[in-house]
Amino acid sequence: EAAVTQSPRNKVTVTGGNVTLSCRQTNSHNYMYWYRQDTGHGLRLIHYSYGAGNLQIGDVPDGYKATRTTQEDFFLLLELASPSQTSLYFCASSGLGSQNTLYFGAGTRLSVL
Amino acid sequence: GQQVQQSPASLVLQEGENAELQCNFSSTATQLQWFYQSPGGSLVSLLSNPSGTKHTGRLTSTTVTKERRSSLHISSSQTTDSGTYLCAIEYTNTGKLTFGDGTVLTVKP
Repeated sequence: EAAVTQSPRNKVTVTGGNVTLSCRQTNSHNYMYWYRQDTGHGLRLIHYSYGAGNLQIGDVPDGYKATRTTQEDFFLLLELASPSQTSLYFCASSGLGSQNTLYFGAGTRLSVL
Repeated sequence: GQQVQQSPASLVLQEGENAELQCNFSSTATQLQWFYQSPGGSLVSLLSNPSGTKHTGRLTSTTVTKERRSSLHISSSQTTDSGTYLCAIEYTNTGKLTFGDGTVLTVKP
């Protein structure tokens, strides 16, 4: 079973704060994804990557940066957090993009006050 | 933009009844996956079915590509099936999935 670990699991920050969400997968998957999920909605793609050093823009990228430092590690950065970014964030990985099963982390709940 | 519509938004069943969940999409899909999200929030992939019919356990998915629709049938529902079922589509070969808003299933004992 693929393992995707997110940290922290919960985070509270203030408007204008700087936040980094971390994701590590240990199954040598090429693709990694960052999604956000808001109450009553499905997942919306923020950024994704198909390898170390690669970054692709998702559907809701505004206010977010991301960096894939290694094949295992994918980070989501909020440099000036706003209350609209209060959400549940999921990281996922897959072997060959969406042709393969996506494995999700447990999620990070972020509150921006 | 490209959309994924799921219906019904919510469904309440008695244990043992069957569930039928629908997913409609706005363009040709190169990939379609069904996911389950537990009440606690964890997400797992149920099956991948871009076309035709697939079975796994009590789940059956039928995708009619030219009609841009897919269904997920859950037979003999159990209380542990309660949660949210999400349909996700890849419209192009970009490795990017677009999710629907989900169907919230509640199975009562």
